[in-house]
Amino acid sequence: AQTVTQSQPEMSVQEAETVTLSCTYDTSENNYYLFWYKQPPSRQMILVIRQEAYKQQNATENRFSVNFQKAAKSFSLKISDSQLGDTAMYFCAFMKPRSQGGSEKLVFGKGTKLTVNP
Amino acid sequence: DTEVTQTPKHLVMGMTNKKSLKCEQHMGHRAMYWYKQKAKKPPELMFVYSYEKLSINESVPSRFSPECPNSSLLNLHLHALQPEDSALYLCASSQVRGTNHQETQYFGPGTRLLVL
Repeated sequence: AQTVTQSQPEMSVQEAETVTLSCTYDTSENNYYLFWYKQPPSRQMILVIRQEAYKQQNATENRFSVNFQKAAKSFSLKISDSQLGDTAMYFCAFMKPRSQGGSEKLVFGKGTKLTVNP
Repeated sequence: DTEVTQTPKHLVMGMTNKKSLKCEQHMGHRAMYWYKQKAKKPPELMFVYSYEKLSINESVPSRFSPECPNSSLLNLHLHALQPEDSALYLCASSQVRGTNHQETQYFGPGTRLLVL
């Protein structure tokens, strides 16, 4: 069974600085999807960024980028130029595609609470 | 458009009440999900519907009854709940299978449920 570990329960960063959230996972699969979701205090879970394991290039979305190290099973999220609106709970998640025999299940980490300070 | 809507936003109910949560999406997704989320915890999968048929039930108590009337709607019927069922209930949707991130799940804003 796959597991996802987020080793930082809480982090804080000053506005405009850069912060990196860590995520490691355990799987024997070769092809899979990885996601970072953000859940602000207003509660809606929002997709931040996603990565397909067969793609070597790290995904980027504006100020958000990942460092995907497949061999090390590491999928960290870097937030550049942090903004107050980035304050949220961040969840890392793993999914095996159905096309690869997977199910509909997302495997979540326990989350990292990020606070951006003014 | 990646919008999933949920109603109501808040719900307070007694243990003898019957209520329903509603979820709707118009993205053409054929998989829909119910999750339960406790404070400061990740979401826990409850049910999955694929092509309007129940494909996964994560051993959820029968006081929770899902229903998928059509490809755009998902309901969760609640009856005789317990105080420990108080939580945020999230709905999500995705394609059943595909490429180019089509299996990505998109979440609604949730219904905050309080059982007294």
